Amino acid sequence: DTAVSQTPKYLVTQMGNDKSIKCEQNLGHDTMYWYKQDSKKFLKIMFSYNNKELIINETVPNRFSPKSPDKAHLNLHINSLELGDSAVYFCASSQPGQVMNTEAFFGQGTRLTVV
Amino acid sequence: QKEVEQDPGPLSVPEGAIVSLNCTYSNSAFQYFMWYRQYSRKGPELLMYTYSSGNKEDGRFTAQVDKSSKYISLFIRDSQPSDSATYLCAMSAGGYNKLIFGAGTRLAVHP
Repeated sequence: DTAVSQTPKYLVTQMGNDKSIKCEQNLGHDTMYWYKQDSKKFLKIMFSYNNKELIINETVPNRFSPKSPDKAHLNLHINSLELGDSAVYFCASSQPGQVMNTEAFFGQGTRLTVV
Repeated sequence: QKEVEQDPGPLSVPEGAIVSLNCTYSNSAFQYFMWYRQYSRKGPELLMYTYSSGNKEDGRFTAQVDKSSKYISLFIRDSQPSDSATYLCAMSAGGYNKLIFGAGTRLAVHP
């Protein structure tokens, strides 16, 4: 019973194309994230949504647009794909508490390759 | 200077060895410290979590936080080949503040 699921798992596409990655969590969490992991395994946050509201928006090209139709879903749309967008994109979710909002549960990742 | 520094390794040890993984950080507002384990082609999974300074033990794993030195460690006793993975430290100031990850240390435990 997958907690955080992303589709697709692999995505190979040409430069200039537009693509979307979908994420769903069944943990009942209020907060969802998109992270990017580069080839050196460095994991960096891109966006965070809490109950469908954008709360973290890192310095990311505006070609990347997240969308949260409800608190269980967070999709990522990427326009005009570039070679440098090749990476593994992870969706994650967590539940805000009184003290912390830090334990994040990750999906299995979407390996994006732009050719 | 990155907010969180972690030696990427790789680190190769024989089975049964004690492994020490470390991170340093610069932001004194960090209060929550985590270690995530990531197997190849999988998402990171939470291994240990510590609030503020101190030690926490869970089976063969011990996490230590020294806020005065801005230094955190993860010790793995009696390491097993199944421990071979990338270990990422992560930390946050709490609340809705973002989780900042280290670069990850790749560990290989050979039989």
